[in-house]
Amino acid sequence: DQQVKQNSPSLSVQEGRISILNCDYTNSMFDYFLWYKKYPAEGPTFLISISSIKDKNEDGRFTVFLNKSAKHLSLHIVPSQPGDSAVYFCAASAQGGKLIFGQGTELSVKP
Amino acid sequence: DTAVSQTPKYLVTQMGNDKSIKCEQNLGHDTMYWYKQDSKKFLKIMFSYNNKELIINETVPNRFSPKSPDKAHLNLHINSLELGDSAVYFCASSQARGSGANVLTFGAGSRLTVL
Repeated sequence: DQQVKQNSPSLSVQEGRISILNCDYTNSMFDYFLWYKKYPAEGPTFLISISSIKDKNEDGRFTVFLNKSAKHLSLHIVPSQPGDSAVYFCAASAQGGKLIFGQGTELSVKP
Repeated sequence: DTAVSQTPKYLVTQMGNDKSIKCEQNLGHDTMYWYKQDSKKFLKIMFSYNNKELIINETVPNRFSPKSPDKAHLNLHINSLELGDSAVYFCASSQARGSGANVLTFGAGSRLTVL
């Protein structure tokens, strides 16, 4: 019973193009959504978040979009760089501050 | 100057053994967590402590026992290890929320392999 799902296990894009990573959730009570980035043999590191009352948050090359009616969020990376190659986790914040994670999408940015 | 450090990074052991993973954070955070990343890659919360007090305890077998001697440390002890315990265990910490997202800072993970 996964409340946060990332249905694409992998994504490959060309350097300079846009990367779009998707995430779906089931619980309408989540108050924040976060994206984490993970390199091999390292822990996840925080990238960007969005409040459930917003529909967009932007930080440099990273933009997160939230569609509450569809219970869907996406992370856009423009332009994509080879150093962005990593596993990206979507997470949702539940009551008590608990973060519920998806299973991750592995992004590969090719030069 | 690692913010959240876990030891050991790798642990290989036999079924039935008892093992511990240690975690320390130097961020001054109030809350610490243990997450498990299983073979399906989901990161699932196991426990959360706030100022040494257990606040989240998911449906984890009793063989797993967290211990928090102070708010900078949260150790995980596992008794009678089973094959299914093989996973990567991540420790994390966060500051108490006033408002805004609860941003966790993770350690590098401890890969446990049970043979």
